[in-house]
Amino acid sequence: KNQVEQSPQSLIILEGKNCTLQCNYTVSPFSNLRWYKQDTGRGPVSLTIMTFSENTKSNGRYTATLDADTKQSSLHITASQLSDSASYICVVSASGGGADGLTFGKGTHLIIQP
Amino acid sequence: DAGITQSPRHKVTETGTPVTLRCHQTENHRYMYWYRQDPGHGLRLIHYSYGVKDTDKGEVSDGYSVSRSKTEDFLLTLESATSSQTSVYFCAISESRGAGTDTQYFGPGTRLTVL
Repeated sequence: KNQVEQSPQSLIILEGKNCTLQCNYTVSPFSNLRWYKQDTGRGPVSLTIMTFSENTKSNGRYTATLDADTKQSSLHITASQLSDSASYICVVSASGGGADGLTFGKGTHLIIQP
Repeated sequence: DAGITQSPRHKVTETGTPVTLRCHQTENHRYMYWYRQDPGHGLRLIHYSYGVKDTDKGEVSDGYSVSRSKTEDFLLTLESATSSQTSVYFCAISESRGAGTDTQYFGPGTRLTVL
């Protein structure tokens, strides 16, 4: 069964610090991996999407990495801001999968303290 | 929220009553989806649509039905609501199938409580 595991479940850091969120997956055959940010009470918003051939992708202070050999991805947040407080969701797509070919992780809840 | 609205945004209902949630998009995207989000679970697909009157089941479709009579509207119906259907429901859209490289855009969500 396709699975996406995220760690840690929750994380508290001080404003200005860096942090890294992890995503491990067993989805096969792999097509692409996405990271979403979900603010409290809002819908998820896409941060990055990476295909098999991409190792790193940046979106401002967010940098995602992908190691397709070990089936791991990370999301690094640099110089955190209070507005980064949110849940971060990793989503992996299976190649050839239809609309239901997406496997969602449970998310990491990140709190930035002043 | 990428031209997606959901209504109502909050609803409290009683067990056994029918409930209909509406998703409206202004992006003219072909694919529309209904997900539910519960604590301890990732987003789970209920139903999706790949065109007007073209729909298919997702992972957790039991107890739900959908209809799409216009490109812009996708309705989710709980024929007889149960407490296990208390959840936050998200509508999403994409230009092509969700498992491709097109981004899925999510609506603001509907919080449904079934007493």
